[in-house]
Amino acid sequence: QKEVEQNSGPLSVPEGAIASLNCTYSDRGSQSFFWYRQYSGKSPELIMFIYSNGDKEDGRFTAQLNKASQYVSLLIRDSQPSDSATYLCAVGVRGSNTGKLIFGQGTTLQVKP
Amino acid sequence: GAGVSQSPRYKVAKRGQDVALRCDPISGHVSLFWYQQALGQGPEFLTYFQNEAQLDKSGLPSDRFFAERPEGSVSTLKIQRTQQEDSAVYLCALRGVDYGYTFGSGTRLTVV
Repeated sequence: QKEVEQNSGPLSVPEGAIASLNCTYSDRGSQSFFWYRQYSGKSPELIMFIYSNGDKEDGRFTAQLNKASQYVSLLIRDSQPSDSATYLCAVGVRGSNTGKLIFGQGTTLQVKP
Repeated sequence: GAGVSQSPRYKVAKRGQDVALRCDPISGHVSLFWYQQALGQGPEFLTYFQNEAQLDKSGLPSDRFFAERPEGSVSTLKIQRTQQEDSAVYLCALRGVDYGYTFGSGTRLTVV
């Protein structure tokens, strides 16, 4: 079992729809969770981080964390073609005071006009 | 990304050749990471520096990989006797106050 798992996709949604990206992790003690966006040929860029159970909203993006079920999700409202990218889920390593992260393989999102 | 520069942007190496990849962060940044990203995969941790101290090198895949940051600023990742499986994008990252990373633009290494 991989430590951080994502469906590789591609996930295809029409423009204006809600895109839902999911991630599960194996270490129940993990405390920090991140979503990165990576355009083809570019490096990852941080979209959101979440530490507490529940929802965290930032513009069109909402991160959801459920520690009991060990999953974290990212919702993108009013999806735009410019949102087409690979979305990487990352989890902080428990007990690491260095900030080391474990990444999932990423989910490719395609937003069709 | 803003704040961290990597060079070269692309590197083609013949199998068995040694390579050196450079990461140049903005001054004063304490925490620096190296990650390896294979095609179609997420980044994988290689090593971590706090200033000049290499506090975690557990992700280095073999003793052919070596990283240094002698003055706590510029870091170099060196790969000796490159193999085809070393072909990947090598990413340098700086950790922010929220523990999120800012990544450099990466070096794409192709071993032929």
